[in-house]
This record gives sequence, structure tokens and C-alpha cells, in this order.
Amino acid sequence: KQEVTQIPAALSVPEGENLVLNCSFTDSAIYNLQWFRQDPGKGLTSLLLIQSSQREQTSGRLNASLDKSSGRSTLYIAASQPGDSATYLCAVRSGANNLFFGTGTRLTVIP
Amino acid sequence: GAVVSQHPSWVICKSGTSVKIECRSLDFQATTMFWYRQFPKQSLMLMATSNEGSKATYEQGVEKDKFLINHASLTLSTLTVTSAHPEDSSFYICSASWQRTYDQYFGPGTRLTVT
Repeated sequence: KQEVTQIPAALSVPEGENLVLNCSFTDSAIYNLQWFRQDPGKGLTSLLLIQSSQREQTSGRLNASLDKSSGRSTLYIAASQPGDSATYLCAVRSGANNLFFGTGTRLTVIP
Repeated sequence: GAVVSQHPSWVICKSGTSVKIECRSLDFQATTMFWYRQFPKQSLMLMATSNEGSKATYEQGVEKDKFLINHASLTLSTLTVTSAHPEDSSFYICSASWQRTYDQYFGPGTRLTVT
């Protein structure tokens, strides 16, 4: 069964810093990988989706990379802002096209 | 586009009672809907997958007689937690997609507290 791990579990940075969130998965046979943002007590907002054939995707200050063979993805956030504070989840689509979620990284950007 | 709503957003019920949560796709027809559960500081775990007009498929360890799922139309799926207990208190999130293999669009979640 696919297992998804995210490191670190929590991260606190001062405003303006660049940061990297990590995601690893055990089964490299994936269809795609997706990064989500979740605010406290709220649902999920999709940030970036990388197909298995792609290496990276960019949206604004966000850049996600995928190394399928090694089972790793990173989410890079440039020039962090207090509004970026949230929990970031990565999820891989594999197996019977189910989504398998990591445990998330709780990000706090300090003004 | 691709908006999914859930109702209620927050519910408190007494132990032993049943509670129904609705998931609606507002601007598209969802042939497949998914129900997830998220305990505090944990990730989302898939509970079941439902296709319109057919029985839901439950993940291992999820009691189908306790978590009743109905997907009677292309825009509505319901999750009923029967005989709720405090350990059922959780955040329930649904998602919907046009087809099983298509991208999922997530609802805002429903927080259930069983007292």
C-alpha cells in the first residue's frame, strides 16, 4: 500500500524567507502528485498538480518538483508571507486511482 | 467552476444518535464522490468511494453499516453516521469528480462532535 510521508511536520520561518517542504512516497508507480493547502478547520485548496511524466510545475511563488524514481517531491515557496501560514499536504494518485495523503507540514510565517 | 459544498459545516450530536452530512457538486455532474475522514493533526484517510446509482465501495476497516453512503443523483451524495460515538468525532471531507480517474474537487469539510 502507498505510504506518503512529509517532513518536517511543522516549520516556522520569518517573513520573506524561501522554504522547502518535502514529500516522499513508497510506491513510485504513480499517476500524479498534488500539493494542497489546508487552512485550520477548512477544506483543501489545490496548489499544484504534477503528472508522472513531468519534473516540475510552477505557479506564482510556488514551485513543485517530482522525482518519481526516488519517490520524492518538494514544494518550494519563495519570499514567504504571513498569508502562506497553513498546513500543506501532498497526495499521490496511485493504485486504483485513489489519492494517498501525507500527514502534512504545518507552516507558520512570522511577520 | 468545479465547486463542491458540504452541509452542515459543523454539527454536534449526542452519543447514540445519527447524523447526516451532505455533499453537493454545484456546477458539474459528479459520477464519483469520495468521503474522507481526518482526525486532529492527522492526514485525510479515504473512507469510501461512491458512484452514482450504485453501492459505495468501502476501504478496509470502515464499517459500512455504521457509515451509510447514498449517491442517488449526479450532484448529491450523503454520509450518515449511525449510532454515533465520541470516537466518531472527526472532520469529514468529501470530494467529487466527473469520472473515477479524473481530478477530485474537495468540499470545505464538516466537523462532527459527538458528546
